[in-house]
Amino acid sequence: GENVEQHPSTLSVQEGDSAVIKCTYSDSASNYFPWYKQELGKRPQLIIDIRSNVGEKKDQRIAVTLNKTAKHFSLHITETQPEDSAVYFCAASINAGNMLTFGGGTRLMVKP
Amino acid sequence: DAGVIQSPRHEVTEMGQEVTLRCKPISGHDYLFWYRQTMMRGLELLIYFNNNVPIDDSGMPEDRFSAKMPNASFSTLKIQPSEPRDSAVYFCASSLAGSTGELFFGEGSRLTVL
Repeated sequence: GENVEQHPSTLSVQEGDSAVIKCTYSDSASNYFPWYKQELGKRPQLIIDIRSNVGEKKDQRIAVTLNKTAKHFSLHITETQPEDSAVYFCAASINAGNMLTFGGGTRLMVKP
Repeated sequence: DAGVIQSPRHEVTEMGQEVTLRCKPISGHDYLFWYRQTMMRGLELLIYFNNNVPIDDSGMPEDRFSAKMPNASFSTLKIQPSEPRDSAVYFCASSLAGSTGELFFGEGSRLTVL
């Protein structure tokens, strides 16, 4: 089955700096790659996703890039703010709406 | 819609007791997932259903775990007998095939087995 690796497991940045989280996946049939944000004690919530027919997608301060050949994708957060502090999970699946395999998560800490 | 509703939010029980977690998916969603979250293992998929039918239960740790979905608006995850290593947050999530693909999570059930 699918295996998703996520790095780093923890990331500490100064407010205003950029943060990058990287994921690799194993199943070349995967074509849907969402990112979820989980604040402390809360549920995971979708923040952005990308499908295999595009290489990059941006939504205000967050962007995701996908390299299908290398089977890796990344989350980029620019101008980080304290409220960006959370655990971020990448995931992969063959079809949107189907079974998601999650990475191990990255705890992002934004220091004011 | 109120979103995915899970109960109980917190459960503390003793080893050997039966635990039943409940989930009501978003109305109209045809996929339902049960995930377990721990510090050590992250978010693990236990089982998922499509149109009330179990599709993949390979993530269910052992026979002590069972899940049912008797109708489109209700699912249960049962642990019998429970063990301390089952302590975790159990999330239920639902989605709609052919839509954006977003998985909507419930608030989770935090289980502590003493």
